[in-house]
Formats: sequence, C-alpha cells, structure tokens
Amino acid sequence: QVQVVQSGAEVKKPGASVKVSCKVSGYTLNELSIHWVRQSPGKGLEWILTFDPADDETIYAQNFQGRVTRTDDTSTDTAYMELSGLRSDDSAIYYCATGYSGDYYLRFDFWGQGTRVTVSS
Amino acid sequence: EIVLTQSPGTLSLSPGERATLSCKASQSVNSNYLAWYQQKPGQAPRFLIFHASYRTTGIPDRFSGSGSGTDFTLTISRLEPEDFAVYYCQQYGDSPPTFGGGTKVEFK
Repeated sequence: QVQVVQSGAEVKKPGASVKVSCKVSGYTLNELSIHWVRQSPGKGLEWILTFDPADDETIYAQNFQGRVTRTDDTSTDTAYMELSGLRSDDSAIYYCATGYSGDYYLRFDFWGQGTRVTVSS
Repeated sequence: EIVLTQSPGTLSLSPGERATLSCKASQSVNSNYLAWYQQKPGQAPRFLIFHASYRTTGIPDRFSGSGSGTDFTLTISRLEPEDFAVYYCQQYGDSPPTFGGGTKVEFK
C-alpha cells in the first residue's frame, strides 16, 4: 500500500509562486507515477500533470503548461509541484496522487490528503 | 477533450437501498478506461473502480461498475451509512484525463 502525505496549506498573493510537496512511503518514488490534480468549487477536479519515471517523461495539461514545474528528491521519496503566476482562480485544493510506474494509466490510485492553496491580495 | 456528464446530480436514498449512478462520455472511452472515485467531506477522493468494472483492492463487492463506449454505471447494491458521499467518474483512455462533475448520494 502506498501512503501519500502532502505539505500544509498556503496563502499566496497574486503573481506569486507556490511549491507543494508530496512524500510517499510504502514504495519508492522510482516505483510510482506521480500525478497532480486540483479541485475547486468552480472547476471541479482538474488534472495538472503526470510524471512516470519509467520513461522519465512529464505530460502537462494545456492550461498549466509553462506555469507548472515538477521536481523530486528520490533520497527522501518526495515529489514537488510548483505553480507560478498565481491568480485568484488558482485557489483550490491541490492533490498529489500516485499510480504504479510503467502502467502508463492516467488514473489516480492513491491520494494525498490535499493542500489548500489560497490566492488573495 | 472528453467531457463526462454524471447524473443525477443528487440521489436521495436510505440505507439498504440500491444506488445507480450514470456517467456519459462525449465520445467513446478508449479501452473502457473509466474509473470511479468516492469523496467524503474534507477528504481526498478514494479510488474504487478501474477499467469500468474492476474493483480495486479493499473495495466491498456491493460496489460494481459496468458499461462501455460512452455509457457507464456505478451501482451500490445496498447502501451502507458510510457510502453516503460524492462519486466521480474519470476517463483515462485519452489525454487529458477528465472527470465528471459528480453525483452526491445523500440520506433521504
């Protein structure tokens, strides 16, 4: 079983960046695909990006391309997602979810608890 | 992108009753790569069903998925108190993966 623990809530001003962390356990980061999904009242559940170490490729939702960066620290099994140029409509709960590396399924088997990001001046 | 439309928006039922939730896709879902998730207030979604009809580990057999092409159904055979929640379908046959708007199963 995979456990996923995310960093705490953030409050940011418009134009700023936010970096959310996602620590996995039960499996190593190299054994898992990492997905980021967000949820807001206005837009529901939205997929942001997926990384699979099996082919070392990241794919992005068009709406976020150029504004989102994915990194990871395999020594601590922690993945990060940074979103820049924040706007008020980026206010949402950001989820890290995982699947199994090499499956290449864009579905979300195990979820973190979510990180609330609030963008407000 | 594939648009998923879930109906009804809200289902008002009592424990022990059968729940039937619909998910319709704007175009055929490749390989029936359709998943269902359950979300309770203040919690992350929980993965229930993959490939339209396969329960993931630990999901009770009162949950079943069916359908193909553009029409999919999640059935909860006999509602338990812990099943009252919002349910989402999601297609992963094409990129971008997309979610439906959800069906809330509430106490009648």
